[in-house]
Amino acid sequence: DAKTTQPPSMDCAEGRAANLPCNHSTISGNEYVYWYRQIHSQGPQYIIHGLKNNETNEMASLIITEDRKSSTLILPHATLRDTAVYYCIVRVNDMRFGAGTRLTVKP
Amino acid sequence: EPEVTQTPSHQVTQMGQEVILRCVPISNHLYFYWYRQILGQKVEFLVSFYNNEISEKSEIFDDQFSVERPDGSNFTLKIRSTKLEDSAMYFCASSDVVVVDTQYFGPGTRLTVL
Repeated sequence: DAKTTQPPSMDCAEGRAANLPCNHSTISGNEYVYWYRQIHSQGPQYIIHGLKNNETNEMASLIITEDRKSSTLILPHATLRDTAVYYCIVRVNDMRFGAGTRLTVKP
Repeated sequence: EPEVTQTPSHQVTQMGQEVILRCVPISNHLYFYWYRQILGQKVEFLVSFYNNEISEKSEIFDDQFSVERPDGSNFTLKIRSTKLEDSAMYFCASSDVVVVDTQYFGPGTRLTVL
């Protein structure tokens, strides 16, 4: 599975959009981009995934660049409960978690 | 909404003892996984399981570890002789298609080895 690079931490103001970037320059054609988050020590929670098209669900939007070498997870209106570690994972089969981005939403 | 459940939520054991961590995956799922997370570190893949056999395992999953699906609902992780360094959160996950599908995680079992 391709390696991903994420900033270690980010802050966001409550109510504003949170944009979390991820670089995956070695991604191959059949690898999907997955985003999970982990709130405190809870189990990782699925957010969204995509292959090459942009995706949106009730939690977030995923923007994947045309060359698929990077992506951005967008939480449109961040709340305090969105404070978590966000993981970008590129995978075909089993998942390998990196260190993720620790997002802190501030009032 | 269906969810993965795990028991116990916290297990304390003495070094050298055997422990069994239990998971009930989502009922129509066919693929099962164990991960662990040592305090302050990243989530690490241990093993995947399908059709009553191990599909893939990491270098962490040595002979001290075993997995089993003893009946139609439970999925267990056994550690035969626990070591201090086995202290961690253990997460179970399940999915219904291994390629391009979503793994749903349980809340975890915190294992403390004394």
